[in-house]
Amino acid sequence: AQKVTQAQTEISVVEKEDVTLDCVYETRDTTYYLFWYKQPPSGELVFLIRRNSFDEQNEISGRYSWNFQKSTSSLNFTITASQVVDSAVYFCALSDPDSNYQLIWGAGTKLIIKP
Amino acid sequence: DAGITQSPRHKVTETGTPVTLRCHQTENHRYMYWYRQDPGHGLRLIHYSYGVKDTDKGEVSDGYSVSRSKTEDFLLTLESATSSQTSVYFCAITRTSSHADTQYFGPGTRLTVL
Repeated sequence: AQKVTQAQTEISVVEKEDVTLDCVYETRDTTYYLFWYKQPPSGELVFLIRRNSFDEQNEISGRYSWNFQKSTSSLNFTITASQVVDSAVYFCALSDPDSNYQLIWGAGTKLIIKP
Repeated sequence: DAGITQSPRHKVTETGTPVTLRCHQTENHRYMYWYRQDPGHGLRLIHYSYGVKDTDKGEVSDGYSVSRSKTEDFLLTLESATSSQTSVYFCAITRTSSHADTQYFGPGTRLTVL
């Protein structure tokens, strides 16, 4: 069965530190998609990235980067030089044919950036 | 901004009363979704829709019904609200007619059932 595990329930760092959020997934399919979303304290869900299973290139967007490792079934998310505005809950999600491409969500990691 | 609004944004109701939440989108997307979010959980899918009058059940559909009589509106109804349905409800769309596409979310409705 499909599953997404975000083992870090809460992470607290001081501003300007780098921080990595882990996401490990399980799927039987060779075609699948992975997503990261951000939920700031205001409550909305903000899309960050979508990766497909055939594209293992790492991605960088400003201070954000994603490391996709199919060998370990992980798509980890790193924030470089963290800022207080990065404080949020971050969710990883999986969609694959077995779930009719419905999103399977991790429980989320709460990231606290202290000034 | 995916052009999604949800109403009401906050609602307090009593056990046993019917409640309808509305999701409205302005960009003519076919696929729409209703999720609930509870503390310590990611989102869980309640119902989804492929188009007008075309809906299907998600993971946690018991106690919920939906209707889609117009492309732009997807309604979620709790026929007889229970305290276990206290939650934050999110609506989402995909911009293409594919579940594999990215889902974009509305602002959420916080529902409290007393």
